[in-house]
Amino acid sequence: QKEVEQNSGPLSVPEGAIASLNCTYSDRVSQSFFWYRQYSGKSPELIMSIYSNGDKEDGRFTAQLNKASQYVSLLIRDSQPSDSATYLCAVRGLTGGGNKLTFGTGTQLKVEL
Amino acid sequence: DTAVSQTPKYLVTQMGNDKSIKCEQNLGHDTMYWYKQDSKKFLKIMFSYNNKELIINETVPNRFSPKSPDKAHLNLHINSLELGDSAVYFCASSQGPTSSYEQYFGPGTRLTVT
Repeated sequence: QKEVEQNSGPLSVPEGAIASLNCTYSDRVSQSFFWYRQYSGKSPELIMSIYSNGDKEDGRFTAQLNKASQYVSLLIRDSQPSDSATYLCAVRGLTGGGNKLTFGTGTQLKVEL
Repeated sequence: DTAVSQTPKYLVTQMGNDKSIKCEQNLGHDTMYWYKQDSKKFLKIMFSYNNKELIINETVPNRFSPKSPDKAHLNLHINSLELGDSAVYFCASSQGPTSSYEQYFGPGTRLTVT
């Protein structure tokens, strides 16, 4: 079982729709959860972090965390073509002194006109 | 006002050569990292330093040797390069080593071994 799992996609949504990206993780003691966006040929860019159960909203982005189900998701409202990218879920557990960030393989999002 | 910078951006070299990649951050962060992203876009941590001390050393060949001369710099030296070393190498930094600190990535170095 992979430590952090994501559907590789591509996930295609029409412009203006809600894009829902999902991530599951295997380490129950994971502490911190992050969503990174990576455009083709570019570096990962942090867009959301979440540390406690529930929802966290930032503009058009909402991160949702359910530690009991070991599940974290990212919702993108009013999707725009500029949101087309690969979204990486990252989880930080207690290994490496709580320093190690484990990434999923990413979900490719395509927002179509 | 680049936060995390890497040099070179592209590196093309032949098998068997030795090469180095350099990273610098001006964020005042204490912790720096090296990641490898393979052709399938899987991003995996290789090393981490906190205040010049090695704190994460994942299972990588010992041909890879990181060095941190000070907490703003982290270099990666690779000996006897192999075809499988071709990847994008990202440097990152965070304020500290513990769980809630967010990591910020450099632009990456695309290494191609021929």
